[in-house]
Amino acid sequence: DGGITQSPKYLFRKEGQNVTLSCEQNLNHDAMYWYRQDPGQGLRLIYYSQIVNDFQKGDIAEGYSVSREKKESFPLTVTSAQKNPTAFYLCASSILENNEQFFGPGTRLTVL
Amino acid sequence: QKEVEQDPGPLSVPEGAIVSLNCTYSNSAFQYFMWYRQYSRKGPELLMYTYSSGNKEDGRFTAQVDKSSKYISLFIRDSQPSDSATYLCAFTGNQFYFGTGTSLTVIP
Repeated sequence: DGGITQSPKYLFRKEGQNVTLSCEQNLNHDAMYWYRQDPGQGLRLIYYSQIVNDFQKGDIAEGYSVSREKKESFPLTVTSAQKNPTAFYLCASSILENNEQFFGPGTRLTVL
Repeated sequence: QKEVEQDPGPLSVPEGAIVSLNCTYSNSAFQYFMWYRQYSRKGPELLMYTYSSGNKEDGRFTAQVDKSSKYISLFIRDSQPSDSATYLCAFTGNQFYFGTGTSLTVIP
């Protein structure tokens, strides 16, 4: 089955720790995206990547980092510099930038 | 002025009702128009995708685009409790934009 997988589904982090969220797609899509979703605020773009080994900051990149070493994978690291990381994180992909996006199931991150 | 405006609701309707969800936009460069459905604690799923003014039908769902008024709508006929979700409009041209979502509850 083609699709996007995210892991883990739930993640708990202590203050001061870095955590990495996984995103994998087997749709052969070139573009991948990370969004953060908070109640009442819709989707906010963190980072996106159009091709391997290249990525751009979105609207709220501070405190986050990404890598794109493989076409299929776009992991997101939430660093200790992110002051309010508790949120629902969504990964998406599209054939090309600005084509319709397909989403993974999400990871809910909670800071303890 | 925001690029995209979407009434957050919440919207509550009885089963079988016709639901109308709407978004307005300000950017004339938007070329593609989408509607996503998001169930609680799940990722959004693409419902409808269109690029021209007019109506596009898919089962109980109709997407309507009026480029002259910069207005899009999603109509749901014979609404079911399983339609209870948040609906997000989305637009793309040179960038991708999402509305904030409208929460819909269909009461049995």
